[in-house]
Amino acid sequence: KNQVEQSPQSLIILEGKNCTLQCNYTVSPFSNLRWYKQDTGRGPVSLTIMTFSENTKSNGRYTATLDADTKQSSLHITASQLSDSASYICVVSPRITGTASKLTFGTGTRLQVTL
Amino acid sequence: ETGVTQTPRHLVMGMTNKKSLKCEQHLGHNAMYWYKQSAKKPLELMFVYNFKEQTENNSVPSRFSPECPNSSHLFLHLHTLQPEDSALYLCASSQDEWEGTDTQYFGPGTRLTVL
Repeated sequence: KNQVEQSPQSLIILEGKNCTLQCNYTVSPFSNLRWYKQDTGRGPVSLTIMTFSENTKSNGRYTATLDADTKQSSLHITASQLSDSASYICVVSPRITGTASKLTFGTGTRLQVTL
Repeated sequence: ETGVTQTPRHLVMGMTNKKSLKCEQHLGHNAMYWYKQSAKKPLELMFVYNFKEQTENNSVPSRFSPECPNSSHLFLHLHTLQPEDSALYLCASSQDEWEGTDTQYFGPGTRLTVL
């Protein structure tokens, strides 16, 4: 069964500090992996997308890495800001042409950035 | 703003009520989706429409009835719901039904509470 597991479930950090969120998946064969940011009371917004041939992708202070061999991805946030407080969701797509039902979502990591 | 709007943002209804959720996308996309997001659970895909045709019904109970009159509008009709149906209902759209690197754009969601 395809699964996406994220850790930690929640995280509290001080403003200005860095943090790394983890995503492990069992989806196979694999096509691409996305990280979404979901603010409280809002819908998810795409941050990065990586295909199986990419190792890293940056979007401002967000850097995602991918190891397709170990089926692991991480999202690194640099110099955190209060506005980074949100849930971060890892979404994995299999390497088949199909419908959206084949997307596998993680439960997310809830990040809180404090003063 | 992601170009996907949802109304209402909050809805409280009794188990015998009938209500409808509305979604509109201004992105010129051809595919639209309904998701259910419950606390501490991954997003659950409910329905997919591609070019106004329903292509996916992910074993959703019949008390949820979708309608897609055109590629820009999507409705979710609700009747005789159960308290466990309380959740955040998210609408999303993409250029076409998911293929490869196509990104889904989410609306802000409707927070539904069933009493």
